[in-house]
Amino acid sequence: DAKTTQPPSMDCAEGRAANLPCNHSTISGNEYVYWYRQIHSQGPQYIIHGLKNNETNEMASLIITEDRKSSTLILPHATLRDTAVYYCIVRVVSTGNQFYFGTGTSLTVIP
Amino acid sequence: EPEVTQTPSHQVTQMGQEVILRCVPISNHLYFYWYRQILGQKVEFLVSFYNNEISEKSEIFDDQFSVERPDGSNFTLKIRSTKLEDSAMYFCASSQMASGGRGETQYFGPGTRLLVL
Repeated sequence: DAKTTQPPSMDCAEGRAANLPCNHSTISGNEYVYWYRQIHSQGPQYIIHGLKNNETNEMASLIITEDRKSSTLILPHATLRDTAVYYCIVRVVSTGNQFYFGTGTSLTVIP
Repeated sequence: EPEVTQTPSHQVTQMGQEVILRCVPISNHLYFYWYRQILGQKVEFLVSFYNNEISEKSEIFDDQFSVERPDGSNFTLKIRSTKLEDSAMYFCASSQMASGGRGETQYFGPGTRLLVL
């Protein structure tokens, strides 16, 4: 099953940075951390992924701790359209190619 | 930007009927997946497909389900005899390579909402 722990919900003021934490204490050395989000009942949308270095793209930044047991997704300037459920996924290599989606963090961006 | 497309967006069917959900993966992708999400629940993996055969399947993917790549572009999920509990959003996804240690990303379609009456 999912190997990550996320808070069930968070609020963030519009225009401020949203910092979404994720614990993955049993992560293995070759397992990547992926972040997806799901707006309403739309298809999960890829945000970012990383192995051990911090990553940044046009959507977000991913900060992974040195021991790789936790990570933080940062949306630098949250907008109302960022209201969604955010999933932190660590793919379990031994189970093949599937992604296990947990319950995620429901982020609400407040005007 | 290339994207995964799915048809139909909504499907209503009677219990016991067969349904086929269609997906067009991103054109240079080689790995294809189906997931489902029952209302209010988690996104669940059903099956992955590569090189014209199933590479993995979950316990949900029983004999009522089948997948096919009938031509070079489409990827289909067939439910042979639908049950009430098959009502869900069905998402197709594709990736260029296996989502293994190289961190290959799966891209999801918008989903088909299936309602079984």
